[in-house]
Amino acid sequence: SQKIEQNSEALNIQEGKTATLTCNYTNYSPAYLQWYRQDPGRGPVFLLLIRENEKEKRKERLKVTFDTTLKQSLFHITASQPADSATYLCALYHQGGKLIFGQGTELSVKP
Amino acid sequence: DAGVTQSPTHLIKTRGQQVTLRCSPKSGHDTVSWYQQALGQGPQFIFQYYEEEERQRGNFPDRFSGHQFPNYSSELNVNALLLGDSALYLCASSPDLALQETQYFGPGTRLLVL
Repeated sequence: SQKIEQNSEALNIQEGKTATLTCNYTNYSPAYLQWYRQDPGRGPVFLLLIRENEKEKRKERLKVTFDTTLKQSLFHITASQPADSATYLCALYHQGGKLIFGQGTELSVKP
Repeated sequence: DAGVTQSPTHLIKTRGQQVTLRCSPKSGHDTVSWYQQALGQGPQFIFQYYEEEERQRGNFPDRFSGHQFPNYSSELNVNALLLGDSALYLCASSPDLALQETQYFGPGTRLLVL
């Protein structure tokens, strides 16, 4: 069955540094991969979508890469701020609209 | 635009009881998906409704059922509650023609089963 793994340990970084989060998947060839942000007690909020034929996507301080050979996506936040502290989820799009999520990585940005 | 709304926000039930959760999709969206998120885990797909019919289902028992109304709003019903059903239940909506694009999530309903 499809499996998605994200860094299970929380990521702690200093303000201003670049945060890099990893998403690995197996037994699947997704056409799309998405990244969401989730704050405690809230629903996930969509951040970026990248297609299988795209290597990289950027949005302001966010950058996502998608390597279909390695079956891996990297999510970068440059010039991180304490307000970026949250849990970040990667999700693979399955046919018919079903999203398969990883367990999420908690990011903490210290001032 | 109110976005996706869910009710209630919190709910406490006891084992064996039944619960109904409600979702109103974002304006213009006709597809509703439900997810269960246990503490510390990512959301897990329960099922998806389109045109008032269940179109896809995840690996959840028949105790989980749903409904979609003509105005696209949806309900999730869980019968014979178990302690393990305690979780955050999320509703997500999207236009059917753009399922591969972003899905908009509601704030969720936190269910506690005692």
